[in-house]
Amino acid sequence: DQQVKQNSPSLSVQEGRISILNCDYTNSMFDYFLWYKKYPAEGPTFLISISSIKDKNEDGRFTVFLNKSAKHLSLHIVPSQPGDSAVYFCAASAGSSYDKVIFGPGTSLSVIP
Amino acid sequence: GAVVSQHPSWVICKSGTSVKIECRSLDFQATTMFWYRQFPKQSLMLMATSNEGSKATYEQGVEKDKFLINHASLTLSTLTVTSAHPEDSSFYICSARGLAGSGEQYFGPGTRLTVT
Repeated sequence: DQQVKQNSPSLSVQEGRISILNCDYTNSMFDYFLWYKKYPAEGPTFLISISSIKDKNEDGRFTVFLNKSAKHLSLHIVPSQPGDSAVYFCAASAGSSYDKVIFGPGTSLSVIP
Repeated sequence: GAVVSQHPSWVICKSGTSVKIECRSLDFQATTMFWYRQFPKQSLMLMATSNEGSKATYEQGVEKDKFLINHASLTLSTLTVTSAHPEDSSFYICSARGLAGSGEQYFGPGTRLTVT
């Protein structure tokens, strides 16, 4: 039973345009959400996070939106750059200790020059 | 930023042998480290949570006698794959949790294990 879902396995975007990566979750106990970027044969790199008390968090070109009622979050990258091409994982955790982070299956983003 | 290293980066071993993978937090102390494995084109699957000075907590379906985890210090955790089989071939990634109260984990570069 997948608690964190990323229904689009891949996404292609033109350079300079906006990339929107979507994520849905089923566990209402999740209260902290993260996005990671991963290149092949490397470990994931933390990008941006958002607490459930917020609905938006912005860091440079990256913005994460959270819709708790819909159990949905999205990562916006604007403008997209070729170097953004990677696999993006949505992740979520629950409880104050944040001991467990559950990852989604990932979305492979290709930014076309 | 926080740096986590893994050693070795890749290893090939024969069936039946054991392999040890090290995970180190280089510039911070990590009371909690996590071990994941990733199959090709799949997500990261949490194997176990490792707390310094105590026994690791394994996820359902992960054999604790096969995947031995030792968190010997605040900067080092090891994963030993015992009696390795070809189906254990995978990409193993460790992470260390940052500041308390934050969900951020800092990941190592991963170890590619191939069992022949």
